Amino acid sequence: KAGVTQTPRYLIKTRGQQVTLSCSPISGHRSVSWYQQTPGQGLQFLFEYFSETQRNKGNFPGRFSGRQFSNSRSEMNVSTLELGDSALYLCASSLVSSGIGYEQYFGPGTRLTVT
Amino acid sequence: AQTVTQSQPEMSVQEAETVTLSCTYDTSENNYYLFWYKQPPSRQMILVIRQEAYKQQNATENRFSVNFQKAAKSFSLKISDSQLGDTAMYFCAFMKGGDMRFGAGTRLTVKP
Repeated sequence: KAGVTQTPRYLIKTRGQQVTLSCSPISGHRSVSWYQQTPGQGLQFLFEYFSETQRNKGNFPGRFSGRQFSNSRSEMNVSTLELGDSALYLCASSLVSSGIGYEQYFGPGTRLTVT
Repeated sequence: AQTVTQSQPEMSVQEAETVTLSCTYDTSENNYYLFWYKQPPSRQMILVIRQEAYKQQNATENRFSVNFQKAAKSFSLKISDSQLGDTAMYFCAFMKGGDMRFGAGTRLTVKP
């Protein structure tokens, strides 16, 4: 079974631009969660989508948004990019809603650099 | 809010020896889940072990086992017979209601 895939793997953007990251979960998984990883703040939960609905949201500004499609693929969008948004963005999929405690399987991440 | 603390930023161990990584957490919840994840230099996070808080029995996965002390809010990871491939960042994580909180991580180096 193929693992979680994220595209693109690397991205360079300029301050003020917007960016869209994509995540394809493991086949059959219906939950997708997004995380931001930085050296200073570590791993932080962004949000979770399950069956096309946002189920949980971390403490991030409204510039960070996401959506999930009927095939469970998810996209994350960051508008008006700031230098501090430079990070590794990780996506994780789970069979059912992560709130039940099922294991999350992580993708390789998208490295976003904002200049 | 739940917080997860890993007090050992870096650790090293000789190949074939045993090492224990510490993790404590703060919560007022009774039912939750705890995880240890490994992130090798390739950066892909891999689940090492999972523990349900309502289960008293400590989880074990081959060379990896945990010491779960619910009252003390402690969740340490023991790696037996350490291998060079165990070199990685290890993250302890707490989950309740879909919100996963990670510790800052422990960088483990296994020396030949």
